[in-house]
Amino acid sequence: EVRLVESGGNLIQPGGSLRLSCAASGFIVSNINMNWVRQAPGKGLEWVSVMYTGGYTYYADSVKGRFTISRDNSKNTVYLQMNGLRAEDTAVYYCARESLDSSYFDYWGQGTLVIVSS
Amino acid sequence: QSALTQPASVSGSPGQSITISCTGTSSDVGGYNYVSWYQQHPGKAPKPLIYDVSNRPSGVSDRFSGSKSGNTASLTISGLQAEDEADYYCSSYTSTTAFVFGTGTKVTVL
Repeated sequence: EVRLVESGGNLIQPGGSLRLSCAASGFIVSNINMNWVRQAPGKGLEWVSVMYTGGYTYYADSVKGRFTISRDNSKNTVYLQMNGLRAEDTAVYYCARESLDSSYFDYWGQGTLVIVSS
Repeated sequence: QSALTQPASVSGSPGQSITISCTGTSSDVGGYNYVSWYQQHPGKAPKPLIYDVSNRPSGVSDRFSGSKSGNTASLTISGLQAEDEADYYCSSYTSTTAFVFGTGTKVTVL
């Protein structure tokens, strides 16, 4: 059974750093494109970042240069390192797996809440 | 990359059909057949309903259907039910970043 479990969300001051984790089970993260998607309170979904199987990474313009996606194959876990956090980064962050057969998100985690506030 | 444009809200009575539009550009919706749709109930993670414009993942009701014409994709919900009341988001692969979501549509069952 495919399962994604995010952790690491917290209350953090502006300018601070946080690392989110997405522990995967039921598949191997290095064999599938893995994404982070966020949702600010009461707002819509916003794609944040992707790590392709080959290791290439892409970011939304809103986080480029501040966020870094990575993975640890030995732990079957994907990470999102977030630096220089701003109030507008406050959101529930979801880890989402891209389907093997097409470009859509077939499995999602339950999300982890990040609040950036002083 | 700007969000794809969806109507803020759509409503219908039980048993009716409703359609939600999703308008993008030739760099996303119009340029690829990688349009997907997601349903999200309050406090829950999104659930995929449609992928590749018109395909349904296993287990999704055939009351949900998708289509595309030019830069606009559409999701139709037939035989509207109370449990369909939720937020709906479209998404597309894009040549500029990787993915872009729509602005979201709140569906109300009257």
